[in-house]
Amino acid sequence: EVQLVESGGGLIQPGGSLRLSCATSGFAVSSNYMSWVRQAPGKGLEWVSVLFGGGGRFYADSVKGRFTISRDNSKNTLYLQMNSLRVEDTAVYYCTRGITGVHFDNWGQGTLVAVSS
Amino acid sequence: DIVMTQSPDSLAVSLGERATINCKSSQSVLYTTDNKSYLAWYQQKPGQPPKLLIYWASTRESGVPDRFSGSGSGTDFTLTISNLQAEDVAVYYCQQYYSTPPMYTFGQGTKLEIK
Repeated sequence: EVQLVESGGGLIQPGGSLRLSCATSGFAVSSNYMSWVRQAPGKGLEWVSVLFGGGGRFYADSVKGRFTISRDNSKNTLYLQMNSLRVEDTAVYYCTRGITGVHFDNWGQGTLVAVSS
Repeated sequence: DIVMTQSPDSLAVSLGERATINCKSSQSVLYTTDNKSYLAWYQQKPGQPPKLLIYWASTRESGVPDRFSGSGSGTDFTLTISNLQAEDVAVYYCQQYYSTPPMYTFGQGTKLEIK
């Protein structure tokens, strides 16, 4: 069974840093397209970043230069390092798996990041 | 950037009736290399993560009831829910993928309620 479990969210001040983790089971992160998608409170979905199985990494313009996506194949875990956080980064962050890289087949339950002073 | 526009923003449909949600892309999502439309639909119920319903514009995800169907090509797509059930109350999102550079864009969402 495919499972994705996010952790690492919390309350952080503007300008601070946070690292999200996504522990997975039932598949290999190294062989799939792994993404982070976020949802601000009461708002729609926004794609944040993708890590291809081959290692390519891509980011939304809104987070480019501030966020870094990575993975640990030995732990089958995906990460999102978030630096220089802004109030507008406040959202539930979902870890997703894409088999083809075109859509998001599986989603975790999400972890809430709140950026506020 | 590609913009995905859904219509309507919300709709109320009676149980057993049909619900239709539209999604329009600012540019074609048809890839001639494989003749597939890179368009997906998701359902999000309150307090839950989104769930994949339809991909390649019209392919139903495993386990999704056949009341859900997707259609369209190029820039205009439709999600149809036939014989509406109470458990279909949710927000529905369309999503496209653009490959150069890789980028994913969602529509703003359509809230479906029971009339």
